[in-house]
Amino acid sequence: NAGVTQTPKFRVLKTGQSMTLLCAQDMNHEYMYWYRQDPGMGLRLIHYSVGEGTTAKGEVPDGYNVSRLKKQNFLLGLESAAPSQTSVYFCASGRGILVSNQPQHFGDGTRLSIL
Amino acid sequence: KNEVEQSPQNLTAQEGEFITINCSYSVGISALHWLQQHPGGGIVSLFMLSSGKKKHGRLIATINIQEKHSSLHITASHPRDSAVYICAVSNTGNQFYFGTGTSLTVIP
Repeated sequence: NAGVTQTPKFRVLKTGQSMTLLCAQDMNHEYMYWYRQDPGMGLRLIHYSVGEGTTAKGEVPDGYNVSRLKKQNFLLGLESAAPSQTSVYFCASGRGILVSNQPQHFGDGTRLSIL
Repeated sequence: KNEVEQSPQNLTAQEGEFITINCSYSVGISALHWLQQHPGGGIVSLFMLSSGKKKHGRLIATINIQEKHSSLHITASHPRDSAVYICAVSNTGNQFYFGTGTSLTVIP
């Protein structure tokens, strides 16, 4: 009964380093999303995917790349980490608005600090 | 500009009080969502509604499409209700817009 699992839960990086955040869901959802949450701001969409092999840009995509090679996994990559990317990152999955208007299911978040 | 506005930003209540959190939005929507984020950070979906009212235990969510407004009510509040409550709206373009959240503290 895992739902949406994010790894790692915490990470500290130095400016310029790269890393990949992994999101895995076991609910056979078509749609997956990556958000960032910053103090005083609502969740902001970074990238999303409407199915295996597809990705699309959200509100704040710069500095991030994503891949959806398998339906159950959605990877978020930071190419060259910057202090402005210090944030809490949430992954979510869902069946999609147009299909069944289902809610999103969220992971527990990844707290990322860039020094 | 904020497509979704919540009020109040912070709320402190005594155990047992009736609580109301408000959400106003400025975009066309297909559904409105209420989410709960606990201090540990995890986010869970409480309600998704596109009209009328929904009830789950002590939680009640209402929406007025004409006024672009929704309310989340908590009856007989309890310290375990302490969390951040987030309003979000979704549209047919698969876009989600999130409010900044209302931080609720219920004191025993």
